[in-house]
Amino acid sequence: DGGITQSPKYLFRKEGQNVTLSCEQNLNHDAMYWYRQDPGQGLRLIYYSQIVNDFQKGDIAEGYSVSREKKESFPLTVTSAQKNPTAFYLCASRGGQGGKQPQHFGDGTRLSIL
Amino acid sequence: GQSLEQPSEVTAVEGAIVQINCTYQTSGFYGLSWYQQHDGGAPTFLSYNALDGLEETGRFSSFLSRSDSYGYLLLQELQMKDSASYFCAVRDMDSNYQLIWGAGTKLIIKP
Repeated sequence: DGGITQSPKYLFRKEGQNVTLSCEQNLNHDAMYWYRQDPGQGLRLIYYSQIVNDFQKGDIAEGYSVSREKKESFPLTVTSAQKNPTAFYLCASRGGQGGKQPQHFGDGTRLSIL
Repeated sequence: GQSLEQPSEVTAVEGAIVQINCTYQTSGFYGLSWYQQHDGGAPTFLSYNALDGLEETGRFSSFLSRSDSYGYLLLQELQMKDSASYFCAVRDMDSNYQLIWGAGTKLIIKP
């Protein structure tokens, strides 16, 4: 079955530590996205990538970094510069160019501060 | 600025019909999407409107009026499993066609 796999499901970060969230897809989608969701809030775009070896900042990129070395993979690093990282992180992918093409989401990673 | 507004919470009875509204203010509107998210889960796509009118998919329908910058999601024959948060999201040309999300409407269904 095709889909998006995020790992780990839960992650704890110590002060001053960088952590990396994994996102893998086998849908053969070109575009991939990282969102942050805070309680009772909508999704805010952190980074997105429309093609391998290229990515763009979203609305809240500060304190985060990404790479897109393979089509299937789009890992997100939460750096120590992100002072309030506690949130639910969602990875998504999208195939095709039409506006109707939906985003497909992974099950998310819940990040907390120790 | 760019913004979407939807009610924070709606309550309805099992078997009834409910409408969740979304008004938007964006500079480069391209289309309006709706997603469902159960507590702690992943958002799943429900519908997309690019043109004015009603799109129907089973028990769910979505409506768009571009002149009014307004859309709604209509859920019929409500079931307990429909209890979830519903998000409207605008695809915006001026944001490189990325989605701008509303804050979500929590739908509470009572038996």
